Amino acid sequence: AQKITQTQPGMFVQEKEAVTLDCTYDTSDPSYGLFWYKQPSSGEMIFLIYQGSYDQQNATEGRYSLNFQKARKSANLVISASQLGDSAMYFCAMREGLNAGGTSYGKLTFGQGTILTVHP
Amino acid sequence: DADVTQTPRNRITKTGKRIMLECSQTKGHDRMYWYRQDPGLGLRLIYYSFDVKDINKGEISDGYSVSRQAQAKFSLSLESAIPNQTALYFCATSDPTGWRETQYFGPGTRLLVL
Repeated sequence: AQKITQTQPGMFVQEKEAVTLDCTYDTSDPSYGLFWYKQPSSGEMIFLIYQGSYDQQNATEGRYSLNFQKARKSANLVISASQLGDSAMYFCAMREGLNAGGTSYGKLTFGQGTILTVHP
Repeated sequence: DADVTQTPRNRITKTGKRIMLECSQTKGHDRMYWYRQDPGLGLRLIYYSFDVKDINKGEISDGYSVSRQAQAKFSLSLESAIPNQTALYFCATSDPTGWRETQYFGPGTRLLVL
C-alpha cells in the first residue's frame, strides 16, 4: 500500500494567490514526522517544512504552512502569496519510528510529487 | 561551496558497463543515503548508511552496491548498468537529532544508460 499519496499530479495558481498541495499518509506508528521538499527545474531537492506527529500546532515557515489533520492523516502544504519562483515539483515525505535510543530510523518515504505552475 | 556534492552531474553509459557515482559531504553528518528518482514515482531509497560500518539495503537495492569510504564519502556503483537504471540519482545526508532530523540532498546525477 502506498504510504504517501499526492493525488494532484499538477496544480496551477495565479501569482499572489494561495495554493494548497495535498498529501495523505498511511501509518500505524504513533511517532512519525512529515516533510515537504521543493524540486525546481534545476533538479535539487530543497527542504521546506516539517511537522511532527506530536506537534500541537501546525508548522509554519515563512510563506509555507502545513495544514496537519492527524485524524484524517493528511498533511497539506499551503503556500501563501505565490511567486513565479514557486513553480516546481513538490514532494511530501514521511519518516516513521523511533529506535530505543530515541533517535529516528532516518528513512524517508516519498510521495509521487505535485508539479506546481504559477502564472503571472 | 555546497555541503553535499555529487560527481559526475551527468553521465551517459552503455548497457553492461560498470559505473560509480560519488557523494561527498562537509556537513559532518553520520547518516548518508542514495535515492533514485523516476518520473511519477517520486524518490525511492536504494541504500543507506548510519555510520561507516553500518550499511543497509533500501527498497530497490538490486543491481546496485555501495561503499562508505569515510564519514564524508558514500559511493554508489552499478555493477552492470541496464537501461531501466536510467534515472536521476540523489545522495542525501542527515544527523540523528530525533524527530526533527532532516535530510539534505546533493544536486543529483542524471544517468542515461543506452
